[in-house]
Amino acid sequence: AQSVTQPDIHITVSEGASLELRCNYSYGATPYLFWYVQSPGQGLQLLLKYFSGDTLVQGIKGFEAEFKRSQSSFNLRKPSVHWSDAAEYFCAVGDSSASKIIFGSGTRLSIRP
Amino acid sequence: DTGVSQNPRHKITKRGQNVTFRCDPISEHNRLYWYRQTLGQGPEFLTYFQNEAQLEKSRLLSDRFSAERPKGSFSTLEIQRTEQGDSAMYLCASSLSHSTDTQYFGPGTRLTVL
Repeated sequence: AQSVTQPDIHITVSEGASLELRCNYSYGATPYLFWYVQSPGQGLQLLLKYFSGDTLVQGIKGFEAEFKRSQSSFNLRKPSVHWSDAAEYFCAVGDSSASKIIFGSGTRLSIRP
Repeated sequence: DTGVSQNPRHKITKRGQNVTFRCDPISEHNRLYWYRQTLGQGPEFLTYFQNEAQLEKSRLLSDRFSAERPKGSFSTLEIQRTEQGDSAMYLCASSLSHSTDTQYFGPGTRLTVL
């Protein structure tokens, strides 16, 4: 069965510092992988997705993620965070039909001024 | 605004009452999904439609839950005989038909069952 693990429930980083949010997945075949962001009162917004090809994926708002098959990981990175990046981040996995997406439990990101 | 819309945004009801939520997808999207999100958790898949056909239902969708998409446009999710455990955010998403198409989420309907 597909599953997603986000080991960090809450992370605090200083504004301007780099960020890495961890994500591990379990899936038998090549997965479709996603990172979504959810701000209070806002809907989920897709940051980036991986289906195939280049394992380093660029997304919106300066985020990127790297798919590492050997580690079953899809970590999200940003070189310099802004106060507006404070939000809940969800890693997710889908199957080839993408009929449903399985989400992790999320990582809450706080930004220290 | 051409995004996914959901109504109502908030619903407070008493245990045992029936509630119905509505989702209006992005107009050209064939697929429509329902998810449920409880506090501190990620969204959990409930069901999805391809046009008017309901193609998959999660085991989370008990007999008290029913979803429809009668004309392949908007969808409704009804919960009968609500229980306190039904309190959650109910999210709707829509996408085009290809498996790689992005699911766009609405703002959700927050249900509180007293």
